[in-house]
Amino acid sequence: QKEVEQNSGPLSVPEGAIASLNCTYSDRGSQSFFWYRQYSGKSPELIMFIYSNGDKEDGRFTAQLNKASQYVSLLIRDSQPSDSATYLCAVKEDDSWGKLQFGAGTQVVVTP
Amino acid sequence: ETGVTQTPRHLVMGMTNKKSLKCEQHLGHNAMYWYKQSAKKPLELMFVYNFKEQTENNSVPSRFSPECPNSSHLFLHLHTLQPEDSALYLCASSRERNEQFFGPGTRLTVL
Repeated sequence: QKEVEQNSGPLSVPEGAIASLNCTYSDRGSQSFFWYRQYSGKSPELIMFIYSNGDKEDGRFTAQLNKASQYVSLLIRDSQPSDSATYLCAVKEDDSWGKLQFGAGTQVVVTP
Repeated sequence: ETGVTQTPRHLVMGMTNKKSLKCEQHLGHNAMYWYKQSAKKPLELMFVYNFKEQTENNSVPSRFSPECPNSSHLFLHLHTLQPEDSALYLCASSRERNEQFFGPGTRLTVL
């Protein structure tokens, strides 16, 4: 059974601080990794993807991938109240059409 | 219309009804997906269509029947559903095997 594990939270973060979210996965064949943000009552919105070991930065977001340890993380710098949402981690085998395996998500609450 | 659209946004149906969910993507993608999202559970992939051909059926009960007439449109036909089928049904699309973009979803309630 392939699994993607995330701490459900809620992760409470003061405004302006760094939010750190972690995701571990069981399938060593996973090649592509995605972070989605989902506001309450809305659909998931893609915010980051990463394919190679190391860090990838996009604005206030940094994704970090370590395939040897089978984890991927997301850092949100200068957290804003608008970052309050559930963050979904998803992984995919490179040769499979669309078989994204999602974690249950981590709820982030940014407090003013 | 831009991105991925879904209709209806909300649907209430009885267990004996037949209804259909519609998804349309305006991104020029060639793969489309149906997901189910239940409360406090991870998104579950239901079906994958690649160039109109179904490439994945993730052990979904036959009361859910997908249809993909072309690479821009995707339907999910529903019949004799159960109350436990109540969930948010999400459509997504992608170009080849790349990042998936989601529509707004249909909130389905089965009475």
